[in-house]
Amino acid sequence: EVHLLESGGGLVQPGGSLRLSCEASGFTFSNYAMAWVRQAPGKGLECVAGLYAGGDRGIEYADSVKGRFTISRDNSRNTMFLQMNSLRADDTALYYCAKDLISGDGIWLLSEWGQGTLVAVSS
Amino acid sequence: EIVLTQSPGTLSLSPGETATLSCRASQSVGGKYLAWFQQKPGQSPRLVIYGAASRATGIPDRFSGSGSGTDFTLTITRLEPEDFAVYYCQQYGESAMGSFGQGTKVEIK
Repeated sequence: EVHLLESGGGLVQPGGSLRLSCEASGFTFSNYAMAWVRQAPGKGLECVAGLYAGGDRGIEYADSVKGRFTISRDNSRNTMFLQMNSLRADDTALYYCAKDLISGDGIWLLSEWGQGTLVAVSS
Repeated sequence: EIVLTQSPGTLSLSPGETATLSCRASQSVGGKYLAWFQQKPGQSPRLVIYGAASRATGIPDRFSGSGSGTDFTLTITRLEPEDFAVYYCQQYGESAMGSFGQGTKVEIK
């Protein structure tokens, strides 16, 4: 059974940093593209960063986080990360990690989701 | 960037009725790469439909998807109490940044 467990959220002041982690189990982590999707309180879904399985196909970011957030993965630990710097109030959201349905190149069909970790940016 | 617009914003129905949700794209969605997600309060999104019309694992056959190009529909027949939730459409495929619609809430009338 696929399991995704996010951690690392919390309350941070504007301009601060946080590092989110997503620990994966139940599948061959290195074979799948992974993404971070956020949901602001009472709002819809926004994909903020995606990382291809092979790594060499690259990384994608939403314009709203480009230059501030960095996505990475450690396949030896079955873990994905999201380093968030220069945080702003509008980054406040529940951050989910999600797994692509298809292994390999990835089609970004997010079939499995974690329960999320809450990031609150406030002074 | 493809913009997805869902309608209506809220659908008020009784158990046993049929829900028809619309998702309209600002430009054609290639390869029918359109998915629908269900989200209940306090829960993470759950994949319901992908490829515009294929049910995800474990999704009952009262859920069906249709459409192509720029117009897509999610139909839920014989609504069960557990079907009342928010539903999002999303286009996927070439980019991780596939946009989501703003959601349609299906609520109990």
